[in-house]
Amino acid sequence: AQSVTQPDIHITVSEGASLELRCNYSYGATPYLFWYVQSPGQGLQLLLKYFSGDTLVQGIKGFEAEFKRSQSSFNLRKPSVHWSDAAEYFCGEIKAAGNKLTFGGGTRVLVKP
Amino acid sequence: DGGITQSPKYLFRKEGQNVTLSCEQNLNHDAMYWYRQDPGQGLRLIYYSQIVNDFQKGDIAEGYSVSREKKESFPLTVTSAQKNPTAFYLCASSIEGRDGYTFGSGTRLTVV
Repeated sequence: AQSVTQPDIHITVSEGASLELRCNYSYGATPYLFWYVQSPGQGLQLLLKYFSGDTLVQGIKGFEAEFKRSQSSFNLRKPSVHWSDAAEYFCGEIKAAGNKLTFGGGTRVLVKP
Repeated sequence: DGGITQSPKYLFRKEGQNVTLSCEQNLNHDAMYWYRQDPGQGLRLIYYSQIVNDFQKGDIAEGYSVSREKKESFPLTVTSAQKNPTAFYLCASSIEGRDGYTFGSGTRLTVV
């Protein structure tokens, strides 16, 4: 079973609207958590990461994510989406004991004008 | 600028042939990784190496082989034993995994 789940395969949002992408992890202890973005045919770029401290994490490109232990979630948010945010987004975790990054299945974001 | 270089960007091979994908990094990272990406399946770990001359199988290692003779290089060979080799392959590296990985721009392999 996948240890990181992204329930939404596709999300369509209007330019200027807010965006929230869901991510759930299954590791019992607190894992290291990441959000990456991938433009078509390209590699992945790190948006933000969390492993301790403040549960609200700020990243690049105006993104933030909130770690909620009670919900085993690490959802990504952006208050106002730009057309350039259209891409695929991947949530990932590293279990505390290792270095292997496991990804969710990804969420493709489409931005309507 | 430091980074990870994957070459070539596109690769076509006939069925039954082995093919080697190149991955080079100048970030002085100890650890390197290979992932396979298929539509709708996210990224799956093929092999990883935490140090020169050592590597471990990931979740889908069957039909693949790697070597790590130099810190900068981690080539992946897709052998004829890999039943469905057509995919997008991504290489990554890290100092410590918890710092996040740096990814290359990928190689799209098509086997005909």
